[in-house]
Amino acid sequence: QQKVQQSPESLIVPEGAMTSLNCTFSDSASQYFAWYRQHSGKAPKALMSIFSNGEKEEGRFTIHLNKASLHFSLHIRDSQPSDSALYLCAVSIRGSALGRLHFGAGTQLIVIP
Amino acid sequence: AQTIHQWPVAEIKAVGSPLSLGCTIKGKSSPNLYWYWQATGGTLQQLFYSITVGQVESVVQLNLSASRPKDDQFILSTEKLLLSHSGFYLCAWSLPGSSYEQYFGPGTRLTVL
Repeated sequence: QQKVQQSPESLIVPEGAMTSLNCTFSDSASQYFAWYRQHSGKAPKALMSIFSNGEKEEGRFTIHLNKASLHFSLHIRDSQPSDSALYLCAVSIRGSALGRLHFGAGTQLIVIP
Repeated sequence: AQTIHQWPVAEIKAVGSPLSLGCTIKGKSSPNLYWYWQATGGTLQQLFYSITVGQVESVVQLNLSASRPKDDQFILSTEKLLLSHSGFYLCAWSLPGSSYEQYFGPGTRLTVL
């Protein structure tokens, strides 16, 4: 059974800071790695995803994957108050039930102006 | 453009009463459809998925059932609600043949008293 864990549980950073969020997974057959952002009371929305080892940058957001370490991360450059939200990592395993995404419990990010 | 609509927006129900939640997706033909549940402060869990009309697979047993009566409609229901059913119910879709990136609806907030 895939286990997905996130750290830290919560994070408070000042505006303009670099924010780093972490996600570990247990199944080495995992194939798809994604970050979702969920504002309070709203639906999660996909931010970024990656399939292969390495980094991918989109604007202020960078996703980094290291399959050997069973770890991927999200880095937010120049954090803004509007980035305050619950960040969920999600992992999908090759050959699993179609569309079976395993989510972590989330990191609550607060960016202080 | 595709739109996803869920109904009702919120529901307060008594323990033991029946429940029916709905989801419709417009602008996409034959999407994969999913039901998720998120307990307050809990992890997002996939409950059901469907790749075609009339075919639904259960992922997590929570004394709930799902049906897909039309290509663009997904229904979640139970005959007897439990206190533990309270939470946020989210419908999601992905492109046919591609299960990775999923797009969530606005959700239904269910309170069972």
